[in-house]
Amino acid sequence: GENVEQHPSTLSVQEGDSAVIKCTYSDSASNYFPWYKQELGKGPQLIIDIRSNVGEKKDQRIAVTLNKTAKHFSLHITETQPEDSAVYFCAATAYNNNDMRFGAGTRLTVKP
Amino acid sequence: EAEVAQSPRYKITEKSQAVAFWCDPISGHATLYWYRQILGQGPELLVQFQDESVVDDSQLPKDRFSAERLKGVDSTLKIQPAELGDSAMYLCASSSDRGGNTIYFGEGSWLTVV
Repeated sequence: GENVEQHPSTLSVQEGDSAVIKCTYSDSASNYFPWYKQELGKGPQLIIDIRSNVGEKKDQRIAVTLNKTAKHFSLHITETQPEDSAVYFCAATAYNNNDMRFGAGTRLTVKP
Repeated sequence: EAEVAQSPRYKITEKSQAVAFWCDPISGHATLYWYRQILGQGPELLVQFQDESVVDDSQLPKDRFSAERLKGVDSTLKIQPAELGDSAMYLCASSSDRGGNTIYFGEGSWLTVV
């Protein structure tokens, strides 16, 4: 089955700086890669996702890149703000296989 | 915006007691999931329903956990008897077959077993 590894486990940046979180996956059949943001005491909220037919996707200050050959994908947050502080999870699954596997999470702290 | 509803949000129970969680998925979503999230870790799938049928419960500890979705809409997850190691957040999620794999989570139910 799929195995997803996520790094770093904690990340602290200054407001306005960029943050990058990286994930690797093991199953070459995986072709859907979402990113979730989880604030304290709340459920994960989808912030961006990418499918394997594209290499990059951007939504305002958030972007995700995918390298299928190397089996890794990354979340990029630019111009970070204190409200970006949360735990971020990557995940991977094959289309029509909803057994989505999650990384262990990255706790991002944006210092004002 | 439609949401996945869960209750209760918080539950404290003594070990060996029974506890149940309820979930109402986004309207029209045929697939419903129950995940368990231990503090500091990512969510792990317990059970997945397609309409009223279980399609994956390989990670559900069936000696004490049960889940049902009798009419293919809302769902209940039960633990009996609860053990100290069951303390975690129980997340319900749903997805639409027409929406690909996008999974939407509820706010979760925090369980503390004492």
